[in-house]
Amino acid sequence: DAGVIQSPRHEVTEMGQEVTLRCKPISGHNSLFWYRQTMMRGLELLIYFNNNVPIDDSGMPEDRFSAKMPNASFSTLKIQPSEPRDSAVYFCASSWQGAADTQYFGPGTRLTVL
Amino acid sequence: QQQVKQSPQSLIVQKGGISIINCAYENTAFDYFPWYQQFPGKGPALLIAIRPDVSEKKEGRFTISFNKSAKQFSLHIMDSQPGDSATYFCAAGSNNAGNMLTFGGGTRLMVKP
Repeated sequence: DAGVIQSPRHEVTEMGQEVTLRCKPISGHNSLFWYRQTMMRGLELLIYFNNNVPIDDSGMPEDRFSAKMPNASFSTLKIQPSEPRDSAVYFCASSWQGAADTQYFGPGTRLTVL
Repeated sequence: QQQVKQSPQSLIVQKGGISIINCAYENTAFDYFPWYQQFPGKGPALLIAIRPDVSEKKEGRFTISFNKSAKQFSLHIMDSQPGDSATYFCAAGSNNAGNMLTFGGGTRLMVKP
């Protein structure tokens, strides 16, 4: 069974451009998490969904960030406009809803904003 | 988010030695404590996890020790190998919080040959 799939794996863009990161969770999982990882701040939870509904977006840094989950097999994280300080590795993870349990991480998208 | 404090930030161990990473939490509602291992360029992956009904769990060379009264848990890597060199994250979760996990700050482990 395929794990969490993220695309693109690497993204280089210029400041001010829109960036869209994509995630396909593990089939059957109904919780999805977006994380950001940097050297300075470690692993930060940005937002998570249960059954396609955003539950907690308190980690989203500002209005430039938005996330959607239109169906159980797809989610996007969008940054518009992007800034150099958004440069980081963005991870998507999925798990079963209902109890604290294992989250399965994707390979990440390394974003560089010039 | 409730904090999970992890120490040390970095650790250097000789091959064959014991690596010990510690975590402390405050929220007594936490009832699931996983450890994740992350290699460069990869996403974190579950290494081992414990629930508070036991004080210790061992899987191969990896052991979690859990002290409920002190609200602390630790990862011990016995006979550390160069292939164990990675970043390790502790985390904590609660059934009351769905399946959200709160992660520690990470420990970068280097095992020298």
